[in-house]
Amino acid sequence: SQQGEEDPQALSIQEGENATMNCSYKTSINNLQWYRQNSGRGLVHLILIRSNEREKHSGRLRVTLDTSKKSSSLLITASRAADTASYFCATETGANNLFFGTGTRLTVIP
Amino acid sequence: GAVVSQHPSRVICKSGTSVKIECRSLDFQATTMFWYRQFPKKSLMLMATSNEGSKATYEQGVEKDKFLINHASLTLSTLTVTSAHPEDSSFYICSGFDRGPSYGYTFGSGTRLTVV
Repeated sequence: SQQGEEDPQALSIQEGENATMNCSYKTSINNLQWYRQNSGRGLVHLILIRSNEREKHSGRLRVTLDTSKKSSSLLITASRAADTASYFCATETGANNLFFGTGTRLTVIP
Repeated sequence: GAVVSQHPSRVICKSGTSVKIECRSLDFQATTMFWYRQFPKKSLMLMATSNEGSKATYEQGVEKDKFLINHASLTLSTLTVTSAHPEDSSFYICSGFDRGPSYGYTFGSGTRLTVV
């Protein structure tokens, strides 16, 4: 299976704290993407980091990529209650397929 | 931005019947459409990849006769769950791939299928 793994599976933090989620994958990739999913809804694309990039920022999001360790992390700073959702990493290989990680369920407590 | 409209959002059907799920790409041409299945509190599992005008490519373990995919145009792909059984109950999500200016994947809002 090309599916990646994320940890933690679930994370509960207080509003204002930072949330860090990690993703590990198995194969060579073109890029790695992070998505957000509210319960019972579709996925929203958050950020894409290419295999030759090491770090990327977008607003309160910071993504790192270590291709030597086949791992990535997503940091959400100054979390808000509205950030409560499931977060998935997804790797894109040369075949233009997306393979998703197992996901992290984030709960931000007001 | 690019939008994929997926319908229906929820469907309940009886065992043995067939259900069709539609995904339409709005404002872009989805040359490739991906279909995923998601179990509660689990990740998305890729079921199949379809390119416009050609047969879908199914992932290992996915029955192509059970999950019929049609991608007859650049803006419409359908997934038909044939002879549905309770174990087919799941959340199905499509994703359109845009090779144009808005390069990337756009996901539909998902379909919750319940087979009773």
